[in-house]
Amino acid sequence: AQKVTQAQTEISVVEKEDVTLDCVYETRDTTYYLFWYKQPPSGELVFLIRRNSFDEQNEISGRYSWNFQKSTSSFNFTITASQVVDSAVYFCALSERGGSTGNQFYFGTGTSLTVIP
Amino acid sequence: EAQVTQNPRYLITVTGKKLTVTCSQNMNHEYMSWYRQDPGLGLRQIYYSMNVEVTDKGDVPEGYKVSRKEKRNFPLILESPSPNQTSLYFCASSLVVYNEQFFGPGTRLTVL
Repeated sequence: AQKVTQAQTEISVVEKEDVTLDCVYETRDTTYYLFWYKQPPSGELVFLIRRNSFDEQNEISGRYSWNFQKSTSSFNFTITASQVVDSAVYFCALSERGGSTGNQFYFGTGTSLTVIP
Repeated sequence: EAQVTQNPRYLITVTGKKLTVTCSQNMNHEYMSWYRQDPGLGLRQIYYSMNVEVTDKGDVPEGYKVSRKEKRNFPLILESPSPNQTSLYFCASSLVVYNEQFFGPGTRLTVL
């Protein structure tokens, strides 16, 4: 079973629109960590955020915001007023601390975001 | 500069010819990992290492070997590459497994 599900394969928005990227995770552990990474067309992987399972506070960083809801096992990412430079593949990931399956790191399949000027 | 380096960046080889992709980090990180990225499948973990001489399988370890003799290095070995191992490979490191991972630039491997 997929530990991290990103159901949106591709999204296209027009510049300045808001967009939300969905992430649903699965774990039996009480202590875990969630991440978002960005992969621009140049190919490198860029870390965006990490949240631990005990901190459900939403976070905002400039035009980026993250909504963590344990009740729905979701960790969604919203870009406000999107820009062309936001065009990238975005990955959600899960790490279980000394979890039941060892010390693996799980990525979703990614959402490719295209922002049209 | 804190970084993860991988070599080579690009490699074209033939079926069965053993190859090694090197990975090195200069941040004194304990956790190191190899991933492969394929279209539609995201990044899948091949092997990881919690520390020197401690390695374990990820989700797709078949056909790969790793070693961790020194903290900074974590080479990926393909003893008999096959075409289904054509992929983009990333090495990553972090202080511990639940910290932010730093990624190398990637190695694009083609097996003919």
